[in-house]
Amino acid sequence: KQEVTQIPAALSVPEGENLVLNCSFTDSAIYNLQWFRQDPGKGLTSLLLIQSSQREQTSGRLNASLDKSSGRSTLYIAASQPGDSATYLCSNQGGKLIFGQGTELSVKP
Amino acid sequence: GAVVSQHPSRVICKSGTSVKIECRSLDFQATTMFWYRQFPKQSLMLMATSNEGSKATYEQGVEKDKFLINHASLTLSTLTVTSAHPEDSSFYICSARGQNNSPLHFGNGTRLTVT
Repeated sequence: KQEVTQIPAALSVPEGENLVLNCSFTDSAIYNLQWFRQDPGKGLTSLLLIQSSQREQTSGRLNASLDKSSGRSTLYIAASQPGDSATYLCSNQGGKLIFGQGTELSVKP
Repeated sequence: GAVVSQHPSRVICKSGTSVKIECRSLDFQATTMFWYRQFPKQSLMLMATSNEGSKATYEQGVEKDKFLINHASLTLSTLTVTSAHPEDSSFYICSARGQNNSPLHFGNGTRLTVT
């Protein structure tokens, strides 16, 4: 059974810091890997999608990498801002999506 | 970008009544839609997967007679919570996907409160 673990569970940083969020899978049969952010009481916003044949994707200050051999993905956020405060979720898109518990990020001004 | 509209955003109902939640893909054809449930401070729990024109596939432990899912068109899926109980109170989120390798897009969720 596929399980997704996200580390850390919570993170609080001052504005401007670079940070890394981690996601790992118990089953290395990774399909597409997608990172989302969720604001309180809201749905999910897609951030980056890494196709199974790719190793990384970049969008603005965000960079996500995928290492299928180890079953890990990282989300790198450069020069963090208070508006980045949210819960970040990763998911492995197989036949159905499995989500991690998320990393709750707080960026202090 | 692709937009998924979920309605209503909030609903309060009495025990024993039924509530219907709609999920629409506004600018793409959703061959597959997913329904999730989320408790406070927890991640999303997949309830069921629906493909247009066929019966939904429910996850283990999810009662299909209680959570009725209909995916009658490529742009609309509905989740009906039948005979609602207070323990059904939760945040329900739908998501939709076009082709197999395309990104998944989420609705903004529905906060259901059963009194």
